[in-house]
Amino acid sequence: GQQVMQIPQYQHVQEGEDFTTYCNSSTTLSNIQWYKQRPGGHPVFLIQLVKSGEVKKQKRLTFQFGEAKKNSSLHITATQTTDVGTYFCAGVEGGTSYGKLTFGQGTILTVHP
Amino acid sequence: DAGITQSPRHKVTETGTPVTLRCHQTENHRYMYWYRQDPGHGLRLIHYSYGVKDTDKGEVSDGYSVSRSKTEDFLLTLESATSSQTSVYFCAIGPKTTSAADTQYFGPGTRLTVL
Repeated sequence: GQQVMQIPQYQHVQEGEDFTTYCNSSTTLSNIQWYKQRPGGHPVFLIQLVKSGEVKKQKRLTFQFGEAKKNSSLHITATQTTDVGTYFCAGVEGGTSYGKLTFGQGTILTVHP
Repeated sequence: DAGITQSPRHKVTETGTPVTLRCHQTENHRYMYWYRQDPGHGLRLIHYSYGVKDTDKGEVSDGYSVSRSKTEDFLLTLESATSSQTSVYFCAIGPKTTSAADTQYFGPGTRLTVL
């Protein structure tokens, strides 16, 4: 079945440093989504990427979808303590399984003030 | 946040007992999901529903059953709980229709401990 791998598993940064997490799928995706989970909370939808090579920005967050639609990345510029949490990518396999997401293991981000 | 509630929010039970978790939505979404979250494994799909009485298995369905008798409610049952089912369980709602965007909205979670 489809597998979505996410690295790194943990990332510790000083406030103000940049952060990047990477997501790779074993199969071509119809779209990829990113979610954030604050400590003790539930996952919250951030963004969806659909097109090959797509880049989207939300303030300090930049999301990219690879040309082959099998990989994606999330980059945070100048981290803040409010960025703390776990970031998940989730892929929808191309051509099948409408509405069914496969989540990566997540990257746990810690920001030291 | 979307109108999703889960009950109970916390439960401690003993091995071998049956347990039912409830997910309730007020958003009229067609798709509903049950995930479990464990350290190092992210979110793993247990079962999902694409309509009333229409359900399908996810990647970790063994030991779990589900039912959806009306749009609003999706029940997850552990017929005979085991310690390996100690986890945080999240319900999510997905597309309202088959042509809608397939993003998901999560409930607050249920922390289940099986002793």
